[in-house]
Amino acid sequence: SAVISQKPSRDICQRGTSLTIQCQVDSQVTMMFWYRQQPGQSLTLIATANQGSEATYESGFVIDKFPISRPNLTFSTLTVSNMSPEDSSIYLCSVSYSGANVLTFGAGSRLTVL
Amino acid sequence: GENVEQHPSTLSVQEGDSAVIKCTYSDSASNYFPWYKQELGKGPQLIIDIRSNVGEKKDQRIAVTLNKTAKHFSLHITETQPEDSAVYFCAATSGTYKYIFGTGTRLKVLA
Repeated sequence: SAVISQKPSRDICQRGTSLTIQCQVDSQVTMMFWYRQQPGQSLTLIATANQGSEATYESGFVIDKFPISRPNLTFSTLTVSNMSPEDSSIYLCSVSYSGANVLTFGAGSRLTVL
Repeated sequence: GENVEQHPSTLSVQEGDSAVIKCTYSDSASNYFPWYKQELGKGPQLIIDIRSNVGEKKDQRIAVTLNKTAKHFSLHITETQPEDSAVYFCAATSGTYKYIFGTGTRLKVLA
């Protein structure tokens, strides 16, 4: 299965600032996704990162708040913009291969907003 | 909308005992049911999965059962060990990329 590296692994940020999280995969993957896991909660899909085009966002998530890039088949970024304490969460990158709906997750980026 | 209910939210067992976590899904089109284990500070790791054409699957101390009629699936861990302590998530999908995750079960195995 894919090896996924996320950076940063954790960060503490000030309210009103933005942070970009990077996701690097060791092989080309068909699909890349970004999930949010709020403290003690389950996993919620933010968006699908589409290579070469705009991401597809789930209900409740918008591009202005969570801009996503995917310049190639192995790399994606998620930016959390204009952060507030409610954005304190673990943000997880996940991937799957064509024809297989098995999801593999990265270790996550734990974000704390003060 | 689709949802997956997971019970219990917390579970404590003595080392060597069995643990069972149950999930119920609402979307009858769901056909793939993975289970993930999340240890502290790590991302979820797939531990076992089952597809809708199978009723049971085993991998050493871990097994998953599926009852399509009742829309239930369960994770069974036998001979539990302290390293089994983690949060476990079930999920269901209808073959698309979109997983619906359960709310998680925090398992504590007491030595």
